[in-house]
Amino acid sequence: QVQLQESGPGLVKPSEPLSLTCAVSGYSISSGYYWGCVRQPPGKGLEWIGSIYHSGSTYYNPSLKSRVTISVDTSKNQFSLKLSSVTAADTAVYYCARHGRFGELYWDFWGQGSLVTVSS
Amino acid sequence: EIVMTQSPATLSVSPGERTSLSCRASQSVSSNLAWYQQKPGQVPRLLIYGASTRATGIPARFSGGGSGTEFTLTISSLQSEDFAIYYCQQYNIWPLTFGGGTKVEIK
Repeated sequence: QVQLQESGPGLVKPSEPLSLTCAVSGYSISSGYYWGCVRQPPGKGLEWIGSIYHSGSTYYNPSLKSRVTISVDTSKNQFSLKLSSVTAADTAVYYCARHGRFGELYWDFWGQGSLVTVSS
Repeated sequence: EIVMTQSPATLSVSPGERTSLSCRASQSVSSNLAWYQQKPGQVPRLLIYGASTRATGIPARFSGGGSGTEFTLTISSLQSEDFAIYYCQQYNIWPLTFGGGTKVEIK
């Protein structure tokens, strides 16, 4: 069974970077699939942040592209999200999840989510 | 970017009733449409992909239909555990986009 576990600070100060690590178990990232992040502000809907393939190729949401970096560490079977210059609008539950390749870009496995609050 | 619009925002339904949720895309997404269920405090769960294929373990009372720009999720007989928020997502082109969700509540 594929499992994803997010880890990172629950509180980030405005203008500082948000960092989240997603550890994957039960499946090797190098075996395929895309790995990515989706966020959900409190009481609101889902927003795709970005995705990465094991080769390192990435796709980002244009609305966040200037601030987002997703990287992969296949030796640790994990990937990481960095979002720079955060504001209160970035307060959300951040999910790590897996989706397939072109034609199958739906999310089939999700982590439990990590609430990140941006506040001084 | 493809904008996904779900309607209605809230649906009040009695247990045992049949109900349908709508999802509309601002341009054709072919059949590259997924549905997710999210209960309060829980992680979204994949219900349907390819517009009409149920994901592993999803009960047969959930069915999806449509193609192009108009899609529906139908729940044939609502069970207590089905009261939740449902999201559609297109994956025809980047960026991946979700609808705003339909909340199915107990009438």
